[in-house]
Amino acid sequence: KNQVEQSPQSLIILEGKNCTLQCNYTVSPFSNLRWYKQDTGRGPVSLTIMTFSENTKSNGRYTATLDADTKQSSLHITASQLSDSASYICVVLPITSGTYKYIFGTGTRLKVLA
Amino acid sequence: NAGVMQNPRHLVRRRGQEARLRCSPMKGHSHVYWYRQLPEEGLKFMVYLQKENIIDESGMPKERFSAEFPKEGPSILRIQQVVRGDSAAYFCASSPKEGGNYGYTFGSGTRLTVV
Repeated sequence: KNQVEQSPQSLIILEGKNCTLQCNYTVSPFSNLRWYKQDTGRGPVSLTIMTFSENTKSNGRYTATLDADTKQSSLHITASQLSDSASYICVVLPITSGTYKYIFGTGTRLKVLA
Repeated sequence: NAGVMQNPRHLVRRRGQEARLRCSPMKGHSHVYWYRQLPEEGLKFMVYLQKENIIDESGMPKERFSAEFPKEGPSILRIQQVVRGDSAAYFCASSPKEGGNYGYTFGSGTRLTVV
């Protein structure tokens, strides 16, 4: 069982609509939790980073939330655009892993249609 | 600032050949991390290097894989005698200080296909 699981695996929405992506993790305790956007054929780009004590973090139309009690995080995308089509990856850094051994989820593939 | 540069973008090797993947970190970054992404799986940490030193290679297979980050030039991930299971996307990231809290930036990756 993966320590960071994401759902859904893939999602198709119409341009302008909102969507929410889920991340369930078993890594505990952790230093921080990140959401990355990975365009096809590109490396991941950081969207948000939250410590275990933060509940929410926004970056433009992207808002990440964190519930440490249920070990869940979500990424909400508002007013989606065609350029939002990408994979979104939830990443957790265990406290026992130092500063760089992040654990990556397998991602949610989002497709935004015109 | 050109960002983290990886080359080649795509590499095809026959079984038994050697694969050399290059990563030039961002200007001012002296810390490099290599990751492997197998199909349908998340990125997995392989190795962490600073200039001329391997700091942590705990995620790298002991056989056939090696990495270096010389004083001059890019970091190199070398895979000897490649097998089909080595087919994956290999990403490197760089940072100015150790760890992901300091401008951790990924390159676009090298996609290795072993035929």
